[in-house]
Amino acid sequence: EIVMTQSPATLSVSPGERATLSCRASQSVSTNLAWFQQKAGQAPRLLISGASTRATGIPARFSGSGSGTDFTLTISSLQSEDFAVYYCQQYDNWPPFTFGPGTKVDFK
Amino acid sequence: QVQLVESGGGLVKPGGSLRLSCAASGFTFSDYYMNWIRQAPGKGLEWVSYISSSGNTIWYADSVKGRFTFSRDNTKNSLYLQMNGLRAEDTAVYYCARDGSSGLNIFDQWGQGTLVTVSS
Repeated sequence: EIVMTQSPATLSVSPGERATLSCRASQSVSTNLAWFQQKAGQAPRLLISGASTRATGIPARFSGSGSGTDFTLTISSLQSEDFAVYYCQQYDNWPPFTFGPGTKVDFK
Repeated sequence: QVQLVESGGGLVKPGGSLRLSCAASGFTFSDYYMNWIRQAPGKGLEWVSYISSSGNTIWYADSVKGRFTFSRDNTKNSLYLQMNGLRAEDTAVYYCARDGSSGLNIFDQWGQGTLVTVSS
């Protein structure tokens, strides 16, 4: 089973600032990596797939990069609606599909 | 627009059973692979099960194998998760999620979830 880790656990950011979230896989997942955003009381929403391809309707301030074992989600200028928990997930080697533990982005 | 609506959650005693449903609309359901993913209260996401578009191929997480059964009815645009032998650790919000990528397993659409609580 591929184990996903994320850092930091919590990221405190001010609106307008840049946020950089990291995700690491225990073995290579190529670019078979997705990012999800989850707000309190809501279902997760797909942001990025293929490590760097934004899903339909996702603003350009969200970008993903990386391949192999190390990945990054960058929010270029944080908006108030971006405060949420972000999860990475690998779909390269399954079952099982595995998620990281999440990074909470909150107000500084 | 794509809609996935889960139902069937509730409070059940340890060892009990529950059947979850997921009603799909807004897309050609029979073309898509589908999944169940759960989230324990205050915790992260855990994939539970996958089913192919025809229903012929099903995979389970080790944590539910032998206790849960995933099925689909393409004539009713519906998914079902039969959960037997429930344990306290099965307490979670259960989401159905669509693979929008023709087999790459990118979960592009999620339902709002249904809460299952296993407690005496």
